[in-house]
Amino acid sequence: KQEVTQIPAALSVPEGENLVLNCSFTDSAIYNLQWFRQDPGKGLTSLLLIQSSQREQTSGRLNASLDKSSGRSTLYIAASQPGDSATYLCAVHGSSNTGKLIFGQGTTLQVKP
Amino acid sequence: DAGVIQSPRHEVTEMGQEVTLRCKPISGHNSLFWYRQTMMRGLELLIYFNNNVPIDDSGMPEDRFSAKMPNASFSTLKIQPSEPRDSAVYFCASSCRWTGQCNTGELFFGEGSRLTVL
Repeated sequence: KQEVTQIPAALSVPEGENLVLNCSFTDSAIYNLQWFRQDPGKGLTSLLLIQSSQREQTSGRLNASLDKSSGRSTLYIAASQPGDSATYLCAVHGSSNTGKLIFGQGTTLQVKP
Repeated sequence: DAGVIQSPRHEVTEMGQEVTLRCKPISGHNSLFWYRQTMMRGLELLIYFNNNVPIDDSGMPEDRFSAKMPNASFSTLKIQPSEPRDSAVYFCASSCRWTGQCNTGELFFGEGSRLTVL
């Protein structure tokens, strides 16, 4: 059974810092891995999608990496801003024809001005 | 593209009443997921459909919950009878995968339906 873990559960940093959010999963047979952002009271917004054959994806100040063999992904946020404050979730997509998308519990980030 | 559309956005009902949540996936997507989010349990997958067929409903809490997808552009999640512990935000999401034309599997979420059962 696939399990997804995100560490830390919460993180508070001063504005301008570079930071790394971690995601680990137990079953390396995945179809893809997706990082989302969720603001309070809102839905989930897709940030980055990494296919199983890829090692990283970049979008602006965000960079996500994937190491299937070790069951890990990281989301790197450069030069953090107060507007980055949100909950970040990673989700792993199973590789079988009936693959599910399993979510971690999320990391709640606060960037202080 | 309009994105995933859910209705209602908010629902307040009394225990024992029937609740129906609706979802319109992104046009062209062939997979649809229903999730429930609470503070205690996070995001839980309730059920998902591929090509309108329910694939895995092992996450459905109990027989009070049912979901249908009569066509590629519409799905419902029904709770009957509702109970206070069903209070949560229910999300619908869709993706496109396992087809020749669209195969990224990227998941897109609706804004959610916030359910409060008194």
